[in-house]
Amino acid sequence: DAKTTQPPSMDCAEGRAANLPCNHSTISGNEYVYWYRQIHSQGPQYIIHGLKNNETNEMASLIITEDRKSSTLILPHATLRDTAVYYCIVRFYNNNDMRFGAGTRLTVKP
Amino acid sequence: GAGVSQTPSNKVTEKGKYVELRCDPISGHTALYWYRQSLGQGPEFLIYFQGTGAADDSGLPNDRFFAVRPEGSVSTLKIQRTERGDSAVYLCASSLMGPSYEQYFGPGTRLTVT
Repeated sequence: DAKTTQPPSMDCAEGRAANLPCNHSTISGNEYVYWYRQIHSQGPQYIIHGLKNNETNEMASLIITEDRKSSTLILPHATLRDTAVYYCIVRFYNNNDMRFGAGTRLTVKP
Repeated sequence: GAGVSQTPSNKVTEKGKYVELRCDPISGHTALYWYRQSLGQGPEFLIYFQGTGAADDSGLPNDRFFAVRPEGSVSTLKIQRTERGDSAVYLCASSLMGPSYEQYFGPGTRLTVT
C-alpha cells in the first residue's frame, strides 16, 4: 500500500471549517483513500473513503486532487468534539491490512 | 445496536505471565481484526479473521501471540510469556464481510506488563 504523509498537528477554531491535508504521491490506480479518526481513549472511527471523485457524507467531505497524489478531509463546522487524531490511509479495496501511520492531531479551540 | 466490546478494559500482568484478551464483535459481522497501538503511534495490524479462520496473521510479531475465533463470533487474543514490550492498547475491529467494508473498532484493552 502507498505511504501517506500528514502534518503532525493542526488547530482549528470552533465553528470554522477544518481542512486536513494528506499526501499520497505513490498511490496506485486501484488504491482508495480512507479517513479514520481516534478520539482520546477510544477506538478509531471510520469517517469517509473515496477513489477519485470527491465524496461527502454527514460527517465530512473528501476532496481528492485530479492526479490523486493528495487529498483533503474537510470538517465543515468543527466542534470541540471533533478534537481527535485523524488518520489518512491508502489501501486496496480488499486489503485487510490498514496502515494507520501517526496521523494529524486536530485540536478544535473555543 | 451494540458495538464492538472488549474485555477487560485494563489488564496489568507480570513479565512472563500468560494473558487472554477478549473481543465481542458486532452481531452478524463475519470479519474480525486485531490491532496493537503503542503510545503516540497509530494502530498496527496483527491478524484478520474471516469466519472461524485466520485469513491473514502476518502482523503477529512472534509465536508468543496467538488468536482464535472458534465459532466465528467472539475472538480471544492470547499472549504467552509476556514481555514489557508487549505493553500497549490492543484494539479489536469487525466488519460486515471482508476488508472492503468499513471497520468498527472497540474501545481497546490496555495491557501493562510490569
